[in-house]
Amino acid sequence: GQQVMQIPQYQHVQEGEDFTTYCNSSTTLSNIQWYKQRPGGHPVFLIQLVKSGEVKKQKRLTFQFGEAKKNSSLHITATQTTDVGTYFCAGSNYGQNFVFGPGTRLSVLP
Amino acid sequence: DVKVTQSSRYLVKRTGEKVFLECVQDMDHENMFWYRQDPGLGLRLIYFSYDVKMKEKGDIPEGYSVSREKKERFSLILESASTNQTSMYLCASNGPGQVYGYTFGSGTRLTVV
Repeated sequence: GQQVMQIPQYQHVQEGEDFTTYCNSSTTLSNIQWYKQRPGGHPVFLIQLVKSGEVKKQKRLTFQFGEAKKNSSLHITATQTTDVGTYFCAGSNYGQNFVFGPGTRLSVLP
Repeated sequence: DVKVTQSSRYLVKRTGEKVFLECVQDMDHENMFWYRQDPGLGLRLIYFSYDVKMKEKGDIPEGYSVSREKKERFSLILESASTNQTSMYLCASNGPGQVYGYTFGSGTRLTVV
């Protein structure tokens, strides 16, 4: 079955540094989503990408979908303490349920 | 805003008890899902439903069942709770097809003793 992996598992950064998490699927995806889960909270939908090579931005967050539609990345510029949490990607293959990656836990040191 | 409400934030149950976890969404979503979340294992799909009276097994359905008698309500049932079912349970819903983001409930942290 489809598998979605994320690296790194953990990332500790100093406030102001950049952060990137990578998501890789074992199969081609039709669309990929990103979620953020704050400590003690639940996953919250951030964005969806559907086109090959697509890039979307939300303030300091930049999301990219790979050309082959098998990988994606989330980049945060100049991290802030409010960015702390676990970032999940989730991929779907043409109408199938989304499969979630294991997440990347981000810690931001002030 | 779409709201997904889970009936309990924390639950403590004894081994062998029958446990009901309730989830209600208020946006007329067709699709509803139950996940469990464990450290290092991410989100694992237990059961899902695309319509009333419809249910499908996810990746880890053993020891669980579900009920969807009304569109807005999706219940997860632990037939005979065991300690390895101690976990965070998350309910989610989204619109038809797999083209919309999931809205998650706040979760139920279940402890089986």
